[in-house]
Amino acid sequence: GENVEQHPSTLSVQEGDSAVIKCTYSDSASNYFPWYKQELGKGPQLIIDIRSNVGEKKDQRIAVTLNKTAKHFSLHITETQPEDSAVYFCAASMSGANSKLTFGKGITLSVRP
Amino acid sequence: EAQVTQNPRYLITVTGKKLTVTCSQNMNHEYMSWYRQDPGLGLRQIYYSMNVEVTDKGDVPEGYKVSRKEKRNFPLILESPSPNQTSLYFCASSLFFRSDEQFFGPGTRLTVL
Repeated sequence: GENVEQHPSTLSVQEGDSAVIKCTYSDSASNYFPWYKQELGKGPQLIIDIRSNVGEKKDQRIAVTLNKTAKHFSLHITETQPEDSAVYFCAASMSGANSKLTFGKGITLSVRP
Repeated sequence: EAQVTQNPRYLITVTGKKLTVTCSQNMNHEYMSWYRQDPGLGLRQIYYSMNVEVTDKGDVPEGYKVSRKEKRNFPLILESPSPNQTSLYFCASSLFFRSDEQFFGPGTRLTVL
């Protein structure tokens, strides 16, 4: 089955700096890669996703890049703000009725004011 | 407002005392699932349901039961809770498939003494 790994488990950046969170996956058949953000006391929420037919997707200060050859994808947050502090989960799956969404273990991002 | 609701949000109970955590969504989603979140282990799927009366095991189903009698509700049942089921539980729903955007509830923090 699919195995999704996130490293490191914690990341601390200065406000205004960029943050990059990387995930690797094992199943080359996976073609859907979402990122979820979990704020303290809340459930995870989808912030951006990418499918394997594109290499990069951007939405304001966040972007996701995908390297299918190396089987890794990354979340990029520019001009970080304190409200970006949260746990970020990456996930991978194949599209379709019986596909399974496999989550990574999560990374805690802290943005220092 | 489109949302997934869970009740209770917090629960402290004792070993062996049956409990039910309710989950309801108002988005007419077909797919619903339960996850548990533990430190260092990320999100692990317990059970899922593709539609009414269709349920299946996830990665960690032991000690749990579910039912899907109505499209909007997906309760999680612990017949005989044990301390190793102390965790943060999330219900989630998506339109059709596991690979669609998942909408998470606010979480239920369960402590089994």
